[in-house]
Amino acid sequence: SYELTQPPSVSVSPGQTATITCSGNKLGDKYVCWYHQRPGQSPVLVIYQNTKRPSGIPERFSGSISGNTATLTISGTQAMDEADYFCQAWDSTTAVFGGGTKLTVL
Amino acid sequence: EVQLVESGGGLVQPGGSLRLSCEVSGFTFSGYWMHWVRQAPGKGLIWVSGINTDGRTTRQVDSVKGRFTISRDNAKNTLYLQMNSLRAEDTAVYYCAREGDPTIFGVGFDYWGQGTLVTVFS
Repeated sequence: SYELTQPPSVSVSPGQTATITCSGNKLGDKYVCWYHQRPGQSPVLVIYQNTKRPSGIPERFSGSISGNTATLTISGTQAMDEADYFCQAWDSTTAVFGGGTKLTVL
Repeated sequence: EVQLVESGGGLVQPGGSLRLSCEVSGFTFSGYWMHWVRQAPGKGLIWVSGINTDGRTTRQVDSVKGRFTISRDNAKNTLYLQMNSLRAEDTAVYYCAREGDPTIFGVGFDYWGQGTLVTVFS
């Protein structure tokens, strides 16, 4: 079955840039979405089609993809950005999520 | 305002059944693919099943094939998940989620419910 690999944890200082990666076989041939999930809350879509932000998502969130790795970048990270982040792609007709990355804002 | 409200979760013994519901409002339900995604306690997100706009096409993850059935009633703006032969490993919060604009690939799950907890225990 298809797998997406994320680092379990990333730490960043307030105001700095956080990067979270997501890798998978032939990921560059697929569209990647990113979600964040604060403790006790439902996931929220923050990036779709690799690079696009839904309305209401701050500009500090951006996405990119190169080869088999997608990257979520959070510029000027704020304390409120501390959350779990999940990448997601479609493998044929099955949606696949990465294992998640816990972002800690120290 | 778009709202998705799940219900039907609870405690069930292994081998038992539950039917989850997700009532939606604030958008044209019949115009969107809908999905169920689950999350075991302290774990990541797992896509469970999806259904197309008219209910005729469904998809499931291998681990629930033959046990879970997704369906929808567009007249009632409600999505369902019938879960049979439940196992301990099915214990999770179950979220319903809307897939975005059906005319665009890769739009993701743009609205989620608050989730309903299913606990399978003996």
